[in-house]
Amino acid sequence: DAKTTQPNSMESNEEEPVHLPCNHSTISGTDYIHWYRQLPSQGPEYVIHGLTSNVNNRMASLAIAEDRKSSTLILHRATLRDAAVYYCIRRGRGGADGLTFGKGTHLIIQP
Amino acid sequence: DAGITQSPRYKITETGRQVTLMCHQTWSHSYMFWYRQDLGHGLRLIYYSAAADITDKGEVPDGYVVSRSKTENFPLTLESATRSQTSVYFCASRDFHAGANVLTFGAGSRLTVL
Repeated sequence: DAKTTQPNSMESNEEEPVHLPCNHSTISGTDYIHWYRQLPSQGPEYVIHGLTSNVNNRMASLAIAEDRKSSTLILHRATLRDAAVYYCIRRGRGGADGLTFGKGTHLIIQP
Repeated sequence: DAGITQSPRYKITETGRQVTLMCHQTWSHSYMFWYRQDLGHGLRLIYYSAAADITDKGEVPDGYVVSRSKTENFPLTLESATRSQTSVYFCASRDFHAGANVLTFGAGSRLTVL
């Protein structure tokens, strides 16, 4: 897995949307963008992934730039339970080994 | 319950002792992984397995042994524990979803080596 760049930390207010950015300027055409999060004292948890088009699921939305060099994870209405470290990972479709996690963004939610 | 379970959740041992961390998944996923997580290093891959009886090294395999005699189990053994192996260990299995591989992690095993 190659490198992505995320802010070390972000702060947001409860019940407001949160936009978590990720830069992957050297992404190849076949690399997927994955997001995982890790709540305190828990294992990482899959959030969402995408290739080119924007993606939505029950947890979040993923907005991918047209040139695919960056993406944004959107939490539409943050709750205190969304406080976690969020990891953005780029990964090819195949590959036998596991994902490579960087340091991620520590999201702080203020009540 | 369906999912991936790790045991023990907490373990304290002494330097030189053998320790085995267990990982069990109920989905019959082919791929399984062991990671360790330390402050300042994030998550690092120790070993992974593509199927029963097929294992391979990850980024930090030294001091660890794995086996996979059954698809659902992937134990991690520290044959002679050292203080540097004090860490939180996460097991994961992999599924294929919407065109990509997705990992599901266990709750972790916190190991302290005195």
